[in-house]
Amino acid sequence: QSALTQPPSASGSPGQSVTISCTGTSRDVGSYNYVSWYQQHPGKAPTVMIYEVNKRPSGVPDRFSGSKSGNTASLTVSGLQAEDEADYYCSSYAGSNIVIFGGGTKLTVL
Amino acid sequence: EVQLVESGGLLVQPGGSLRLSCVASGFTFSTYWMSWVRQAPGKGLEWVANIKVDGSEKAYVDSVKGRFTISRDNAKNSLYLQMNSLRAEDTAVYYCARRGWQFDYWGQGTLVTVSS
Repeated sequence: QSALTQPPSASGSPGQSVTISCTGTSRDVGSYNYVSWYQQHPGKAPTVMIYEVNKRPSGVPDRFSGSKSGNTASLTVSGLQAEDEADYYCSSYAGSNIVIFGGGTKLTVL
Repeated sequence: EVQLVESGGLLVQPGGSLRLSCVASGFTFSTYWMSWVRQAPGKGLEWVANIKVDGSEKAYVDSVKGRFTISRDNAKNSLYLQMNSLRAEDTAVYYCARRGWQFDYWGQGTLVTVSS
């Protein structure tokens, strides 16, 4: 049950695009299309931004998109806005009802 | 409106026990897997446990196996986490979340502090 690997930080200017990676193994990210991405603002509970690799819940702007290639999933935020500044976490199903999270990425809007 | 409200977080001494509760509303609780996720102060999210709709299947992160027990009461729309043999490293905000491995709704969390 090792954590997924995310970069500790990412940044971009308003209007730009930024991509956050989430690297796992063939036993988790590589085997299942149950990768989710969560946004968390300071002092708040997380909210889901992407589920099943690339699906957006209703209410999430289409500026947020997800993808996966092999053992690495990615979250892309296009047209960065100030309110996108937050911590982002990926998670993956890892079989036997186990879930693994990434260490989190702090996104800064410059 | 889906709501998840946790309670039970306290300051407890190492080796002590605590039971967290989560009351759900706004959806048919008995048809969803449920989970507990925790976040240590200043740290990332960690999945703790999940439970099937009827309680027949449960899974835990290795670090809490044998010490924590997840359970549910569908008649009361409630999810529980019994925490025994608590350690300093269990200090965290504990969130109740809907679903087993893709969490679409979260509670606001309850703080558990393990310290002497």
